[in-house]
Amino acid sequence: NAGVMQNPRHLVRRRGQEARLRCSPMKGHSHVYWYRQLPEEGLKFMVYLQKENIIDESGMPKERFSAEFPKEGPSILRIQQVVRGDSAAYFCASSSRGNIGNTIYFGEGSWLTVV
Amino acid sequence: AQKITQTQPGMFVQEKEAVTLDCTYDTSDPSYGLFWYKQPSSGEMIFLIYQGSYDQQNATEGRYSLNFQKARKSANLVISASQLGDSAMYFCAVYMDSNYQLIWGAGTKLIIKP
Repeated sequence: NAGVMQNPRHLVRRRGQEARLRCSPMKGHSHVYWYRQLPEEGLKFMVYLQKENIIDESGMPKERFSAEFPKEGPSILRIQQVVRGDSAAYFCASSSRGNIGNTIYFGEGSWLTVV
Repeated sequence: AQKITQTQPGMFVQEKEAVTLDCTYDTSDPSYGLFWYKQPSSGEMIFLIYQGSYDQQNATEGRYSLNFQKARKSANLVISASQLGDSAMYFCAVYMDSNYQLIWGAGTKLIIKP
């Protein structure tokens, strides 16, 4: 029973390139959340998605960032024209329902470094 | 706005001693959940313990227990008999049923000394 799978684990991009981070939720989970962790800080909410729908993107920067969770395949967090300030760890979490209770599971994170 | 405060940026503790990591939260939601996570140097986020706001008893998971004081809005993590492998960052987070977000504290860096 695989947990939340994120890839790549580490990604290096030059300024101006695009970064794509993938997240496969736990089997049976249809709710996906993306969080960002800047160095020496706690996680910050970015976006909450269900299959084919964005439920809440209030934590997502308005420009260059987008997220999707298609009917088939993993959730994708896409960052266009990356800048140094995008360097962070990006965590994906999944749950089987929106009211998570204690049923939220995190992936191991994807570390983006912009050079 | 909801807020989580972890007042201890860093702690040094002797091996085998008990440790208390502080966490206070600010929410007006009647229903919420409190989480503690451990983040070792390898970076993954490891779930430790959960407490629901309506749970009558304090949560326990092995060497971890949560000292939940609802009126004070406090949810301190207690680690009994600390081990060298407990050295890590520890994060407190709160989930409100009114939104879909986990709100995180800034973390406490715990170092266990041999």
